[in-house]
Amino acid sequence: AQTVTQSQPEMSVQEAETVTLSCTYDTSESDYYLFWYKQPPSRQMILVIRQEAYKQQNATENRFSVNFQKAAKSFSLKISDSQLGDAAMYFCAYKETSGSRLTFGEGTQLTVNP
Amino acid sequence: DSGVTQTPKHLITATGQRVTLRCSPRSGDLSVYWYQQSLDQGLQFLIHYYNGEERAKGNILERFSAQQFPDLHSELNLSSLELGDSALYFCASSIHFRDRRYFGPGTRLTVL
Repeated sequence: AQTVTQSQPEMSVQEAETVTLSCTYDTSESDYYLFWYKQPPSRQMILVIRQEAYKQQNATENRFSVNFQKAAKSFSLKISDSQLGDAAMYFCAYKETSGSRLTFGEGTQLTVNP
Repeated sequence: DSGVTQTPKHLITATGQRVTLRCSPRSGDLSVYWYQQSLDQGLQFLIHYYNGEERAKGNILERFSAQQFPDLHSELNLSSLELGDSALYFCASSIHFRDRRYFGPGTRLTVL
């Protein structure tokens, strides 16, 4: 079974600084998707960024970028120029290409200090 | 706003009772997924329906059931409720299972 591990239960960053959240996963599949979701205090699940495993280029969305290391099964999220609104729980998630299920990690609570 | 609606927002009930959670997917989305978020188990996939048919089951208890109706809205039925069923229940939708999921705001269930 696929597993997703986020080893940092909590992280903090100063406003305008850069922070990296870590995620590792385990799978025997060669084609899959990886995601980072943000869950602010409102509890809404918001997609931050998506990476397709067959693409070697790392995905970027404005201030958010990933470092996808397929051989190492690592998928970290970098947030640049952190803003107060980035404070949230961040979840890493995995999905088989043809699968229904999103498998989530335990989450990393990010605090942004002014 | 994701376009996915869930009702009710909050539900408080007693052990042994039965409740129904409702989800309306985004317009045009044929797939509906249910997830449970609890302190103990984290975010867990429960079940996936596509155009009225069950497509995949995850960690869904036998006391729970779901269905998707012809108008594509879905209901999650939870029966013989236990304290441990207290959680946030999310519905998500997508056009096809390969596509991006859009999550609803969730239903907070409290079992006393």
